[in-house]
Amino acid sequence: GEDVEQSLFLSVREGDSSVINCTYTDSSSTYLYWYKQEPGAGLQLLTYIFSNMDMKQDQRLTVLLNKKDKHLSLRIADTQTGDSAIYFCAESRRDDKIIFGKGTRLHILP
Amino acid sequence: DTAVSQTPKYLVTQMGNDKSIKCEQNLGHDTMYWYKQDSKKFLKIMFSYNNKELIINETVPNRFSPKSPDKAHLNLHINSLELGDSAVYFCASSHKRAENTGELFFGEGSRLTVL
Repeated sequence: GEDVEQSLFLSVREGDSSVINCTYTDSSSTYLYWYKQEPGAGLQLLTYIFSNMDMKQDQRLTVLLNKKDKHLSLRIADTQTGDSAIYFCAESRRDDKIIFGKGTRLHILP
Repeated sequence: DTAVSQTPKYLVTQMGNDKSIKCEQNLGHDTMYWYKQDSKKFLKIMFSYNNKELIINETVPNRFSPKSPDKAHLNLHINSLELGDSAVYFCASSHKRAENTGELFFGEGSRLTVL
Protein backbone atom coordinates (compact mmCIF):
# COMPACT_ATOMS: atom_id res chain seq x y z
CA GLY A 1 0.00 0.00 0.00
CA GLU A 2 0.87 3.67 -0.14
CA ASP A 3 0.55 4.42 3.56
CA VAL A 4 2.86 4.05 6.52
CA GLU A 5 0.83 1.91 8.91
CA GLN A 6 0.86 1.81 12.68
CA SER A 7 -1.71 0.95 15.31
CA LEU A 8 -3.53 3.95 16.74
CA PHE A 9 -3.53 3.17 20.45
CA LEU A 10 -1.33 1.43 23.01
CA SER A 11 -1.83 1.19 26.77
CA VAL A 12 1.06 0.14 28.98
CA ARG A 13 1.58 -0.03 32.73
CA GLU A 14 4.16 2.29 34.22
CA GLY A 15 7.49 0.47 34.47
CA ASP A 16 6.68 -2.00 31.69
CA SER A 17 8.13 -1.89 28.18
CA SER A 18 6.18 -0.31 25.35
CA VAL A 19 6.54 -1.64 21.83
CA ILE A 20 5.17 0.39 18.94
CA ASN A 21 5.16 -1.21 15.51
CA CYS A 22 5.13 0.28 12.04
CA THR A 23 5.18 -0.92 8.45
CA TYR A 24 6.50 1.38 5.79
CA THR A 25 6.25 1.34 2.03
CA ASP A 26 9.42 2.36 0.21
CA SER A 27 12.13 -0.30 0.29
CA SER A 28 14.66 2.32 -0.82
CA SER A 29 13.95 4.66 2.11
CA THR A 30 17.30 5.84 3.44
CA TYR A 31 16.23 6.80 6.93
CA LEU A 32 13.38 5.74 9.14
CA TYR A 33 12.33 7.87 12.05
CA TRP A 34 10.35 7.95 15.23
CA TYR A 35 8.90 11.30 16.20
CA LYS A 36 7.16 12.16 19.46
CA GLN A 37 4.31 14.67 19.79
CA GLU A 38 3.23 15.90 23.19
CA PRO A 39 -0.14 17.66 23.62
CA GLY A 40 -0.26 21.11 22.04
CA ALA A 41 3.25 20.84 20.61
CA GLY A 42 4.96 20.10 17.35
CA LEU A 43 6.68 16.83 16.54
CA GLN A 44 10.20 16.22 17.80
CA LEU A 45 12.60 13.63 16.53
CA LEU A 46 13.02 10.89 19.10
CA THR A 47 15.38 8.63 17.20
CA TYR A 48 16.16 7.43 13.69
CA ILE A 49 17.79 4.46 12.03
CA PHE A 50 19.77 4.28 8.82
CA SER A 51 18.50 1.69 6.39
CA ASN A 52 21.68 -0.40 6.47
CA MET A 53 21.27 -1.04 10.21
CA ASP A 54 18.93 -3.52 11.83
CA MET A 55 19.08 -2.24 15.39
CA LYS A 56 19.83 0.96 17.22
CA GLN A 57 19.86 1.48 20.97
CA ASP A 58 19.75 4.83 22.68
CA GLN A 59 19.27 4.69 26.47
CA ARG A 60 15.71 3.44 27.05
CA LEU A 61 14.93 3.34 23.34
CA THR A 62 15.56 0.41 21.01
CA VAL A 63 14.73 0.58 17.32
CA LEU A 64 14.51 -2.60 15.27
CA LEU A 65 14.40 -2.58 11.48
CA ASN A 66 13.41 -5.53 9.30
CA LYS A 67 14.02 -4.37 5.75
CA LYS A 68 12.72 -7.54 4.17
CA ASP A 69 9.30 -7.08 5.77
CA LYS A 70 9.53 -3.25 5.80
CA HIS A 71 8.82 -3.35 9.50
CA LEU A 72 10.07 -0.88 12.09
CA SER A 73 9.54 -1.01 15.83
CA LEU A 74 10.25 1.22 18.78
CA ARG A 75 10.70 -0.25 22.24
CA ILE A 76 10.64 2.04 25.26
CA ALA A 77 12.01 0.32 28.36
CA ASP A 78 10.72 1.19 31.84
CA THR A 79 7.89 3.33 30.50
CA GLN A 80 7.26 6.49 32.51
CA THR A 81 4.28 8.85 32.71
CA GLY A 82 6.33 11.40 30.77
CA ASP A 83 6.38 9.00 27.82
CA SER A 84 2.66 9.55 27.32
CA ALA A 85 2.42 11.09 23.82
CA ILE A 86 1.69 10.28 20.21
CA TYR A 87 4.51 8.46 18.44
CA PHE A 88 4.84 8.80 14.68
CA CYS A 89 6.77 6.47 12.46
CA ALA A 90 8.14 8.15 9.29
CA GLU A 91 10.11 7.20 6.20
CA SER A 92 12.20 9.31 3.85
CA ARG A 93 11.17 8.22 0.38
CA ARG A 94 13.23 8.34 -2.79
CA ASP A 95 11.14 11.32 -3.99
CA ASP A 96 12.44 13.33 -1.00
CA LYS A 97 9.14 13.20 0.84
CA ILE A 98 9.07 12.33 4.49
CA ILE A 99 5.83 10.45 5.01
CA PHE A 100 4.33 9.89 8.42
CA GLY A 101 2.17 7.13 9.81
CA LYS A 102 -1.09 7.99 11.55
CA GLY A 103 0.57 8.01 14.96
CA THR A 104 0.25 5.69 17.97
CA ARG A 105 -1.21 7.25 21.08
CA LEU A 106 0.65 5.80 24.08
CA HIS A 107 -1.33 5.79 27.29
CA ILE A 108 0.41 4.96 30.57
CA LEU A 109 -1.56 3.11 33.23
CA PRO A 110 -0.59 3.65 36.90
CA ASP B 1 15.66 31.21 20.58
CA THR B 2 12.90 29.49 18.67
CA ALA B 3 14.25 27.46 15.75
CA VAL B 4 11.06 27.22 13.66
CA SER B 5 8.42 29.79 14.52
CA GLN B 6 4.93 30.11 13.11
CA THR B 7 2.36 32.85 13.47
CA PRO B 8 -0.37 33.01 14.41
CA LYS B 9 -0.64 30.11 16.84
CA TYR B 10 -4.43 30.26 16.76
CA LEU B 11 -6.69 31.52 14.00
CA VAL B 12 -10.49 31.54 14.08
CA THR B 13 -12.27 32.80 10.98
CA GLN B 14 -15.44 32.58 8.96
CA MET B 15 -15.99 30.42 5.87
CA GLY B 16 -15.11 32.22 2.68
CA ASN B 17 -12.39 34.40 4.22
CA ASP B 18 -8.75 34.49 3.12
CA LYS B 19 -6.01 33.99 5.69
CA SER B 20 -2.24 33.56 5.88
CA ILE B 21 0.10 31.67 8.19
CA LYS B 22 3.74 32.68 8.38
CA CYS B 23 6.77 30.55 9.13
CA GLU B 24 10.38 31.44 9.76
CA GLN B 25 13.38 29.26 10.60
CA ASN B 26 16.71 30.44 11.96
CA LEU B 27 18.52 27.13 11.56
CA GLY B 28 20.11 27.94 8.20
CA HIS B 29 18.18 25.07 6.57
CA ASP B 30 17.56 25.04 2.84
CA THR B 31 14.26 23.14 2.78
CA MET B 32 10.94 24.05 4.33
CA TYR B 33 7.60 22.25 4.47
CA TRP B 34 3.95 22.62 5.31
CA TYR B 35 2.12 19.70 6.88
CA LYS B 36 -1.56 19.51 7.79
CA GLN B 37 -2.67 17.61 10.91
CA ASP B 38 -6.38 16.85 11.11
CA SER B 39 -8.56 16.26 14.16
CA LYS B 40 -7.53 12.58 14.27
CA LYS B 41 -3.87 13.69 14.41
CA PHE B 42 -3.11 12.34 10.93
CA LEU B 43 -0.23 14.29 9.40
CA LYS B 44 -0.10 14.91 5.64
CA ILE B 45 2.56 16.72 3.65
CA MET B 46 1.26 19.63 1.60
CA PHE B 47 4.24 21.49 0.13
CA SER B 48 8.01 21.61 0.23
CA TYR B 49 10.39 24.33 -0.92
CA ASN B 50 14.11 23.95 -1.43
CA ASN B 51 16.07 27.19 -1.79
CA LYS B 52 12.85 29.05 -2.58
CA GLU B 53 11.83 26.57 -5.28
CA LEU B 54 8.71 24.44 -5.00
CA ILE B 55 9.75 20.78 -5.02
CA ILE B 56 6.76 18.99 -3.52
CA ASN B 57 3.19 19.92 -4.23
CA GLU B 58 0.77 17.27 -3.04
CA THR B 59 -2.83 17.07 -4.13
CA VAL B 60 -3.89 20.21 -2.36
CA PRO B 61 -6.70 22.51 -3.56
CA ASN B 62 -5.32 25.51 -5.43
CA ARG B 63 -6.95 27.70 -2.78
CA PHE B 64 -3.73 26.97 -0.88
CA SER B 65 -0.76 28.94 -2.14
CA PRO B 66 2.66 28.73 -0.51
CA LYS B 67 5.16 31.53 -0.94
CA SER B 68 8.84 31.50 -0.08
CA PRO B 69 10.39 34.97 -0.23
CA ASP B 70 13.74 33.59 0.92
CA LYS B 71 15.25 30.37 2.30
CA ALA B 72 14.31 31.23 5.86
CA HIS B 73 10.62 31.90 5.25
CA LEU B 74 7.70 29.90 3.93
CA ASN B 75 4.23 31.35 4.18
CA LEU B 76 0.90 29.69 3.48
CA HIS B 77 -2.01 31.65 2.08
CA ILE B 78 -5.46 30.11 1.98
CA ASN B 79 -8.28 31.59 -0.09
CA SER B 80 -12.03 31.04 0.35
CA LEU B 81 -11.69 29.05 3.54
CA GLU B 82 -13.91 26.00 3.98
CA LEU B 83 -14.97 24.07 7.08
CA GLY B 84 -12.72 21.17 6.06
CA ASP B 85 -9.68 23.41 6.22
CA SER B 86 -9.92 23.39 10.02
CA ALA B 87 -6.75 21.68 11.23
CA VAL B 88 -3.37 22.33 12.78
CA TYR B 89 -0.84 23.41 10.16
CA PHE B 90 2.78 22.63 10.90
CA CYS B 91 5.76 24.25 9.32
CA ALA B 92 9.02 22.29 9.31
CA SER B 93 12.53 22.67 7.98
CA SER B 94 15.47 20.42 7.18
CA HIS B 95 18.88 20.48 5.55
CA LYS B 96 19.19 18.37 2.43
CA ARG B 97 22.70 17.02 2.25
CA ALA B 98 23.91 13.51 1.70
CA GLU B 99 25.49 13.32 5.14
CA ASN B 100 22.39 14.64 6.90
CA THR B 101 19.70 12.45 8.37
CA GLY B 102 16.97 14.59 6.87
CA GLU B 103 15.54 15.27 10.32
CA LEU B 104 12.60 17.63 10.26
CA PHE B 105 12.43 20.45 12.79
CA PHE B 106 8.84 21.41 13.44
CA GLY B 107 7.20 24.61 14.55
CA GLU B 108 4.59 24.51 17.29
CA GLY B 109 1.71 24.54 14.84
CA SER B 110 -1.01 26.99 13.86
CA ARG B 111 -4.50 25.87 14.80
CA LEU B 112 -6.98 27.09 12.20
CA THR B 113 -10.70 26.94 13.02
CA VAL B 114 -13.16 27.78 10.26
CA LEU B 115 -16.69 28.58 11.42
